[in-house]
Amino acid sequence: DAGITQSPRHKVTETGTPVTLRCHQTENHRYMYWYRQDPGHGLRLIHYSYGVKDTDKGEVSDGYSVSRSKTEDFLLTLESATSSQTSVYFCATLVKAGTMEQYFGPGTRLTVT
Amino acid sequence: DAKTTQPPSMDCAEGRAANLPCNHSTISGNEYVYWYRQIHSQGPQYIIHGLKNNETNEMASLIITEDRKSSTLILPHATLRDTAVYYCIVRVEGTGGGADGLTFGKGTHLIIQP
Repeated sequence: DAGITQSPRHKVTETGTPVTLRCHQTENHRYMYWYRQDPGHGLRLIHYSYGVKDTDKGEVSDGYSVSRSKTEDFLLTLESATSSQTSVYFCATLVKAGTMEQYFGPGTRLTVT
Repeated sequence: DAKTTQPPSMDCAEGRAANLPCNHSTISGNEYVYWYRQIHSQGPQYIIHGLKNNETNEMASLIITEDRKSSTLILPHATLRDTAVYYCIVRVEGTGGGADGLTFGKGTHLIIQP
């Protein structure tokens, strides 16, 4: 199994506060992804990374930034959290290059009040 | 990407085979059929994928019709832990980039009955 941990697992924060979510993988996978999942919208890609310091935007990137300084860590930052960013956030890695086989972390439930 | 159609929900008795259908009548020749599932409050989990031949792994079997317009995911001996939402996705081979971002539709909520 591709080991992925996400931290924190649950967080409640106030509007306007910066928040950083961490994704850590132990399998040395090159590609990593951040998604959010909301009722009625399904799973949506926020940002992805194709290597250390190499990142790009996904479908719903506004209000989010990412960084990847090491292969194993992919950070998602909400510079100034808004209530619309209340969601469940999943990190994933690409298990096999050339496929759509992704391994997902356990998720972080973020509530912005 | 080809659109997929799945029934919103299905029931199956524990120990029986669960057969989950998916229609993808507009599938292109280079598009694969992928199945994922999501157990309540967990991250999505990859199950299996195929192009045109039937595929089997330790979790499930994937049967793709000869015209590739539909497929069936088979869980051979369903257990209560297989209760989840199952997603059928049709996509070309990945490049590792943003195009590999997965978008799940509504899927099929499979409920395994004791």
